[in-house]
Amino acid sequence: AQSVTQLGSHVSVSEGALVLLRCNYSSSVPPYLFWYVQYPNQGLQLLLKYTSAATLVKGINGFEAEFKKSETSFHLTKPSAHMSDAAEYFCAVLGNEKLTFGTGTRLTIIP
Amino acid sequence: GAVVSQHPSRVICKSGTSVKIECRSLDFQATTMFWYRQFPKQSLMLMATSNEGSKATYEQGVEKDKFLINHASLTLSTLTVTSAHPEDSSFYICSAGSNRRNTEAFFGQGTRLTVV
Repeated sequence: AQSVTQLGSHVSVSEGALVLLRCNYSSSVPPYLFWYVQYPNQGLQLLLKYTSAATLVKGINGFEAEFKKSETSFHLTKPSAHMSDAAEYFCAVLGNEKLTFGTGTRLTIIP
Repeated sequence: GAVVSQHPSRVICKSGTSVKIECRSLDFQATTMFWYRQFPKQSLMLMATSNEGSKATYEQGVEKDKFLINHASLTLSTLTVTSAHPEDSSFYICSAGSNRRNTEAFFGQGTRLTVV
């Protein structure tokens, strides 16, 4: 079975600072991993995905994530936070044709 | 990316009534659609998986007689909450995949259901 753990339900960073949202996964097979962003009362938007190609994945809005098999991690980063990045972020792993989501991390940007 | 339209975005209904939520893939054929439920400040819980032309597969603990799913065409899946109760109030989200591996799942905007 696949699972995802997101460390930190809330993360606050100053505008312009580095954003780091943590995700660790468990999978019995080579994983497909995803990061989604959710704004209030909206669905999910795909930020980026890892599908066994390059380990450093670049996504939209300046986000990127690095797949590290040895650490079973897929942390999301952005060099410089923007006010518009404030949202809920979900890490997900694909298994048995289903997505399993982490519990989410709420990102707050401090002006 | 592909567009998935979910309707309505918000609905308020009385206890005991039924509510239908539609999920449409606007520019691609969705062989598989997924329905999720999201409680306040929590993650998404997969309720069921529907494949066009066949019965939906429900996750453990989800009442199939209460949450009726129909996937009548490659562009439309519906979720009907029957005999709604206040505890069914939640945010429901659908996603559609264009291939069985679901590596290209696209999400609808979600539906906020409030049962009064």
